Amino acid sequence: QQQVKQSPQSLIVQKGGISIINCAYENTAFDYFPWYQQFPGKGPALLIAIRPDVSEKKEGRFTISFNKSAKQFSLHIMDSQPGDSATYFCAASKLRRTGANNLFFGTGTRLTVIP
Amino acid sequence: GAVVSQHPSRVICKSGTSVKIECRSLDFQATTMFWYRQFPKKSLMLMATSNEGSKATYEQGVEKDKFLINHASLTLSTLTVTSAHPEDSSFYICSATRVGGLMNTEAFFGQGTRLTVV
Repeated sequence: QQQVKQSPQSLIVQKGGISIINCAYENTAFDYFPWYQQFPGKGPALLIAIRPDVSEKKEGRFTISFNKSAKQFSLHIMDSQPGDSATYFCAASKLRRTGANNLFFGTGTRLTVIP
Repeated sequence: GAVVSQHPSRVICKSGTSVKIECRSLDFQATTMFWYRQFPKKSLMLMATSNEGSKATYEQGVEKDKFLINHASLTLSTLTVTSAHPEDSSFYICSATRVGGLMNTEAFFGQGTRLTVV
């Protein structure tokens, strides 16, 4: 069972445009929602993350919007650049005081930014 | 940020042989490391959770006798693919979570290992 659903599967955006990727989750116990960026042949790298106590978090050109009641969160990439072309994964987990949190990943979105 | 080093980045082995993949947290201690498998253009599939000093916890459907995990220290976990077959060819990725702090949050990923079994 897919704990985190992600869409679209692929996305093509013009340079300078806004890229929007959406995710939805079912488990209301989740309280940590990171986004990862992965380039071909590389491991994922954390891009930005949000806790459910805020509805939006912005870091540079990247913004997470979080809707707790709808159990949805999205990644917005402003002024998209060709260098942003990569696969993006949303994830969710439940934070724990001890031990490590198991991340549940979305299915990924392959973003292509065309010049 | 914290660094997780995974080695080797690529390996080609003959069918029937075993391959060991190492995952090291270079500048922090990690009591728990995770091993993932990723098929082309697909998401990361959790294979097992590796705990320092104890047996790994495997996800349903993952053969623990085939994918041996050892977490001998707070900075090293190894995944050994035993008697590898072509269907084991995949991209294997480890991650580690930093110990300490109020909450264990950010997971740091290795660079991944591309295994090709011929």
